[in-house]
Amino acid sequence: QKEVEQDPGPLSVPEGAIVSLNCTYSNSAFQYFMWYRQYSRKGPELLMYTYSSGNKEDGRFTAQVDKSSKYISLFIRDSQPSDSATYLCAMSVTNGNQFYFGTGTSLTVIP
Amino acid sequence: EPEVTQTPSHQVTQMGQEVILRCVPISNHLYFYWYRQILGQKVEFLVSFYNNEISEKSEIFDDQFSVERPDGSNFTLKIRSTKLEDSAMYFCASMWGDSSSYNEQFFGPGTRLTVL
Repeated sequence: QKEVEQDPGPLSVPEGAIVSLNCTYSNSAFQYFMWYRQYSRKGPELLMYTYSSGNKEDGRFTAQVDKSSKYISLFIRDSQPSDSATYLCAMSVTNGNQFYFGTGTSLTVIP
Repeated sequence: EPEVTQTPSHQVTQMGQEVILRCVPISNHLYFYWYRQILGQKVEFLVSFYNNEISEKSEIFDDQFSVERPDGSNFTLKIRSTKLEDSAMYFCASMWGDSSSYNEQFFGPGTRLTVL
C-alpha cells in the first residue's frame, strides 16, 4: 500500500544549511498533514501540523502543503546538529483518524 | 510534562507465545492508538480505541490481536500467538479528543518485540 511516499535519505548537510524534506500522497481525502521528528530509540514527536493547503511557519521550520499536487514539504532553515533525527510525514483524513506515515528521512547535520 | 509510557522497552518471545504490551496514556486523554514499525519500514496503524471500544482498525489487526483498557489507566495490546513477522517496534499513542481544535497524537517511546 503506497498511500504516502517519502524521499528516502539518508540526508547529510552542513550546519546552517537549508533542508528540504518532501512527501507525496495519493489519497485526495487527506486533510491533516503532520511532520514528526523521531530520535533514536524514542517515539515520534510532533513538529508541525497543517490543515488543508497552505504554509505554516514555526521558528526555523516551515511546512507547505500543495493539495493540487498532493505534495507536502518541510523546510528547516539554519539547520543545527540538534536537528539530526529521522523526520516522518504523516497524514490523516480527519483529526483523530489513523495516521498514514511516510518511511521517514534520516537527517544528519554536520557541525 | 505528561507523557505516554510503555513497558517493557524490549520483549523477546518464542513463536507461538502470547505477549501483552502495556501502555499508560496521558491521564486525561480519551483516544488511544497502537502503531507498529517493522525495522526499515513505515510506521503502520493497527487500531484506535475510544469509549471502551475499537473505533477503527487496519487489515493488520486480525483475530490474533486484541486491545483492552482494563483499569482506566493502562491500555494493552495482546498478541495471542506470535509469529516471526510480528517482530517490530510497537508504539502506543493517545489523544485528548477536543473536536473544536486540532488534537495531537502523543506517542510513547515504543516496545521492541522480538519473536524468535
